[in-house]
Amino acid sequence: ILNVEQSPQSLHVQEGDSTNFTCSFPSSNFYALHWYRWETAKSPEALFVMTLNGDEKKKGRISATLNTKEGYSYLYIKGSQPEDSATYLCASNTNAGKSTFGDGTTLTVKP
Amino acid sequence: SQTIHQWPATLVQPVGSPLSLECTVEGTSNPNLYWYRQAAGRGLQLLFYSVGIGQISSEVPQNLSASRPQDRQFILSSKKLLLSDSGFYLCAWSLRGSAGYGYTFGSGTRLTVV
Repeated sequence: ILNVEQSPQSLHVQEGDSTNFTCSFPSSNFYALHWYRWETAKSPEALFVMTLNGDEKKKGRISATLNTKEGYSYLYIKGSQPEDSATYLCASNTNAGKSTFGDGTTLTVKP
Repeated sequence: SQTIHQWPATLVQPVGSPLSLECTVEGTSNPNLYWYRQAAGRGLQLLFYSVGIGQISSEVPQNLSASRPQDRQFILSSKKLLLSDSGFYLCAWSLRGSAGYGYTFGSGTRLTVV
């Protein structure tokens, strides 16, 4: 994998459903993986930063895992709510500090 | 606390006109500064980044340029806008020397070239 790739591109779920999406990144020269939440008409906000293989982070109903050896991270949302609707971006940092972003997964939660 | 200001919020410019977007950071020194663009239906594309005054790295060759006249000021410019320059422009900063830290983004500028 040369770039940061996210899947699926978009996702529509019903309120109360749990969902997850994937971020794949180059495992060579890996330093950190960031997840951001980007609501329409706002700027992206940081959710998690993860650096160690096996890291798991949690914030409320949202959690994330990291596998640096195989180059992927999962973001999970338990019991989705309409206010979770947003684009979720992941970004991979090399030790030079520059982030490479994926194209994002756009989540729509229907009431 | 650190804050980042970006302006204007929206801009409609004719093709061939110049552009100047400004971004300033408060509450920190020696930040890394970035300009990103999101074209319609696409992800974030890094345009320029800067690790210090007068130090600009360009990621994508195009008719845009960036300057950093002061430590906490980052300016995106163009002499003549193209239709393809339309998009959502985001300025961001991060701690220098801290590769593990993420970015803090400005509120963005929606540019429409007509």
